[in-house]
Amino acid sequence: GENVEQHPSTLSVQEGDSAVIKCTYSDSASNYFPWYKQELGKRPQLIIDIRSNVGEKKDQRIAVTLNKTAKHFSLHITETQPEDSAVYFCAASPSGAGSYQLTFGKGTKLSVIP
Amino acid sequence: SQTIHQWPATLVQPVGSPLSLECTVEGTSNPNLYWYRQAAGRGLQLLFYSVGIGQISSEVPQNLSASRPQDRQFILSSKKLLLSDSGFYLCAWTRRDRYNEQFFGPGTRLTVL
Repeated sequence: GENVEQHPSTLSVQEGDSAVIKCTYSDSASNYFPWYKQELGKRPQLIIDIRSNVGEKKDQRIAVTLNKTAKHFSLHITETQPEDSAVYFCAASPSGAGSYQLTFGKGTKLSVIP
Repeated sequence: SQTIHQWPATLVQPVGSPLSLECTVEGTSNPNLYWYRQAAGRGLQLLFYSVGIGQISSEVPQNLSASRPQDRQFILSSKKLLLSDSGFYLCAWTRRDRYNEQFFGPGTRLTVL
């Protein structure tokens, strides 16, 4: 089955700096890679996702890049703000019938220091 | 638009007591439904998923069970709770035609004493 490794487990940045979280996956059949943000005590929220037919996707201050050859993908947050502080989870999923599951990384706790 | 509900929001139960958590989805038909558990400060552990009424797949052996009596209703149960069952229980759904994009419910925080 799929295995997703996520690094770092904790990350502290100064407000205004950039933050990068990296994930690797093992199953070359995976083709959908979402990122979730979970604030303390709340549900995970889907913030951005990418499919394997593109290499990069941006949405305002967040972007995700995908390198299928190396089987890794990254979340980039620019101009970080205190409200970006949360735990971020990456995930991977194969396509096709019967592919009902996401495999999650263990999460990265991001702290943005004002 | 679609909405997912979970109740109760919080629950404190003694060891050995039964459990029933409910999840319902509105605004969609034939969703795939999922139960996850998240221990304090930890990641997401998939417990069960369902692709239709009465169809349940279990991911890990445990003293929990799941049922799907209606298309948009998913129930997590236990006959006897253990201390290790404490955690944040999250229900999630996906559209049948976009089965990767999972959206989570607000969760139930369960404390077993």
